Amino acid sequence: DIQMTQSPSILTASVGDRVTITCRASQSVGTWLAWYQHKPGKAPKVLIYKASDLDSAVPSRFTGTGSGTEFTLTINSLQPDDFATYYCQQYNHYSTFGQGTRVEMK
Amino acid sequence: EVQLLESGGGLVKPGGSLRLSCAASGFPFDNYAMSWVRQAPGKGLESVATILRGVDSTFYADSVKGRFTISRDNSEDTLYLQMNSLRADDTAIYYCAKGLNYYDFWPHDFWGQGTLVTVSS
Repeated sequence: DIQMTQSPSILTASVGDRVTITCRASQSVGTWLAWYQHKPGKAPKVLIYKASDLDSAVPSRFTGTGSGTEFTLTINSLQPDDFATYYCQQYNHYSTFGQGTRVEMK
Repeated sequence: EVQLLESGGGLVKPGGSLRLSCAASGFPFDNYAMSWVRQAPGKGLESVATILRGVDSTFYADSVKGRFTISRDNSEDTLYLQMNSLRADDTAIYYCAKGLNYYDFWPHDFWGQGTLVTVSS
């Protein structure tokens, strides 16, 4: 199985900050990598697929980069609605999620 | 409007069985792969099972292989998850999720609200 490791597990930031979350795969997944935002009591929401393609209606302050085994999600100018947990998902070999990164208010 | 409505969750004893259903609407169900994803209390997301557009191609997480069976009824636009030999660590919210498009089985662009499965004596 491909293991996905996110860092950090918890990120404390303020509105307006630029934040970066990293996701590392135990073996290459090419660009078969998605990012999700998940809030308590709600369904997860896909933000980015194929490592860097923004899903429709997702604000352009979200950016995904990377390929192979290392990927990043960057949120430029963090907004109040962005405080949530973020997950990466590889789908090169079936599907596995990272353990999540919780973005908290400083 | 795409809608996914899960049902069938509840409290079950260890070793018991449960069948989850997901009623889909708002899109051509037989054109998309469908999946079950779960979240245990205080934990992250875990892919449980995926079924491709046809009924014969399935994928399972190692943790449920041999105990869970994913299936679909394309005539009824419904996804199922038969869960047998349930264990305490199967306790989770189970989400039904739709594949991105006709060719991409993942990621999931629409999710249901989830149904809670609790395995406890």
